[in-house]
Amino acid sequence: DAGITQSPRHKVTETGTPVTLRCHQTENHRYMYWYRQDPGHGLRLIHYSYGVKDTDKGEVSDGYSVSRSKTEDFLLTLESATSSQTSVYFCAISETFGAGSTYFGPGTRLTVT
Amino acid sequence: SQELEQSPQSLIVQEGKNLTINCTSSKTLYGLYWYKQKYGEGLIFLMMLQKGGEEKSHEKITAKLDEKKQQSSLHITASQPSHAGIYLCGADGGGNTPLVFGKGTRLSVIA
Repeated sequence: DAGITQSPRHKVTETGTPVTLRCHQTENHRYMYWYRQDPGHGLRLIHYSYGVKDTDKGEVSDGYSVSRSKTEDFLLTLESATSSQTSVYFCAISETFGAGSTYFGPGTRLTVT
Repeated sequence: SQELEQSPQSLIVQEGKNLTINCTSSKTLYGLYWYKQKYGEGLIFLMMLQKGGEEKSHEKITAKLDEKKQQSSLHITASQPSHAGIYLCGADGGGNTPLVFGKGTRLSVIA
């Protein structure tokens, strides 16, 4: 299994509070991604990173920001959580961009009340 | 943008039966990836297909990519309860873009 951990694994928070999810990898892969998974929508890309301090938006980036200060860590921040951001969030890594095998973390289940 | 359509959305089969899941792309596939997700867990990489007509097998799961590279199928032979979960296809559409995913097929295997 690829060395990807996510923290926390579960979180319940209130509307309007900031939330940060962390993804940590031990594979030294260049590319890291944040996806959210929702019933009826499948996996949707939020943001991705192609190197330290290099990030770009995915298809559902509104309300989210990311940071990558080290190769191994990719943070996803919800500046002011909303109920529509209740979801399961997955971090993923890959050696090459959009090609080759992409490996996923175990997921973080976030509930915004 | 590339879109992937999976069918069926859900499937209930009796243990021991064979089944097929399809993944159809709106554009030519440069790479097609199959993942399995157990309920409440992360995605596990199963197989990658890149060449038209390519077929790969792992244990009782076989995946094929058609010659035109726009459709892939995942076939499970003699299904077992351990095969239950959500199967997702992911596509590399070329042009330096992240993978896009289908909405998944939920498989249940009953005794």
